[in-house]
Amino acid sequence: QVQLQESGPGLVKPSETLSLTCTVSGGSVSSGSYYWSWIRQPPGKGLEWIGYIYYSGSADYNPSLKSRVTMSLDTSKNQFSLKLSSVTAADTAVYYCARERGAGNGYDFYFDYWGQGALVTVSS
Amino acid sequence: SYELTQPPSVSVSPGQTARITCSGDALSKKYAHWYQQKSGQAPVLVIYEDGKRPSGIPERFSGSSSGTMVTLTISGAQVEDEADYYCYSIDSSAKRVFGGGTKLTVL
Repeated sequence: QVQLQESGPGLVKPSETLSLTCTVSGGSVSSGSYYWSWIRQPPGKGLEWIGYIYYSGSADYNPSLKSRVTMSLDTSKNQFSLKLSSVTAADTAVYYCARERGAGNGYDFYFDYWGQGALVTVSS
Repeated sequence: SYELTQPPSVSVSPGQTARITCSGDALSKKYAHWYQQKSGQAPVLVIYEDGKRPSGIPERFSGSSSGTMVTLTISGAQVEDEADYYCYSIDSSAKRVFGGGTKLTVL
């Protein structure tokens, strides 16, 4: 059974960088069959895709966040990470990591496993 | 930017059929997937590739697609099905997009 677990500071100051790590068990971030993604949800609001990273290190990000987002992989620890720079109160959210797999048609994707989520509050 | 449009809320009585729609220009060419999110919990996949049900998801959950609209149907909705439901798909640039979510009330 695949499990994902987010970790990182729960409080970040405005203008600083938010950093989160997702530890994967029961699966490998080195697998070419999956994409490793981050999704966030501001309090009381809907889900927003942040981006994904692939085993090769290639990544793609939501255009609305692209200038502030960096994702990376640590295959030795079976982890992937998110950095979001220059945060403001609008970045306060529950951050989820998730595994994404390809659909049967070969060009669609969906998330099949999610972490439990980590609340990150941006406040001084 | 690409948008998936869902009704903000749907309400049914227990045992009735709940239908939640999601519309988007690319849905005639792209799969849609549905997630259930109960209060304080992570989303759970309930339907993938328009109408397939993951193992462990009750048979009362089904999905269908027609043109640029997809529909999640819960036949004989139960109180425990009360949750937020999100459709999800990919735009023409392979950017991932969620619908705004629909709050299902069963009472």
